[in-house]
Amino acid sequence: DSGVTQTPKHLITATGQRVTLRCSPRSGDLSVYWYQQSLDQGLQFLIQYYNGEERAKGNILERFSAQQFPDLHSELNLSSLELGDSALYFCASSQTGRNTEAFFGQGTRLTVV
Amino acid sequence: GENVEQHPSTLSVQEGDSAVIKCTYSDSASNYFPWYKQELGKGPQLIIDIRSNVGEKKDQRIAVTLNKTAKHFSLHITETQPEDSAVYFCGKGSASKIIFGSGTRLSIRP
Repeated sequence: DSGVTQTPKHLITATGQRVTLRCSPRSGDLSVYWYQQSLDQGLQFLIQYYNGEERAKGNILERFSAQQFPDLHSELNLSSLELGDSALYFCASSQTGRNTEAFFGQGTRLTVV
Repeated sequence: GENVEQHPSTLSVQEGDSAVIKCTYSDSASNYFPWYKQELGKGPQLIIDIRSNVGEKKDQRIAVTLNKTAKHFSLHITETQPEDSAVYFCGKGSASKIIFGSGTRLSIRP
């Protein structure tokens, strides 16, 4: 158990809908990362937050947004969902977000039908 | 400059033999190079990492080498065992994010 909690574990929704994925980082970690893993694909970096502030952005679609709250949990919002958004979404956390080990959660499997 | 290239994409080795996975990058800002192992149905887990001021690091059967001049780094697994079967990702980290390679699916043949 990495200490990073992601909910829900599975999510099935229809095209055009909006969903929210939640991540609770390890105790003491200030930084949260979001990654997307499509079938048989690598880990695509979406976005990183540190202590509530956005620190880095990757190839995140405009339909996607995220935030990190004062209690350090983070949410990834996906809207106007398309079939191609079906993927595993991972959250990871680290102490500082700079050149340190990132601990991954178990992921949320999103299926868009 | 942001990507990291990882080869091979699949690797099958006989149990007991060694496995080597290689990654290359092109930017100069990266100074942290982790390797993650992802087992089926699980999140990636760090197995070893190396920083740019070190050329080699070893942890039991696993070693990582870094050539910062040539901008490539490699994962070496010796005396492979069935439990080494998984997908392995190399990563490169800078001040703000970790970018991962496309992964190597390692299979250990009995």
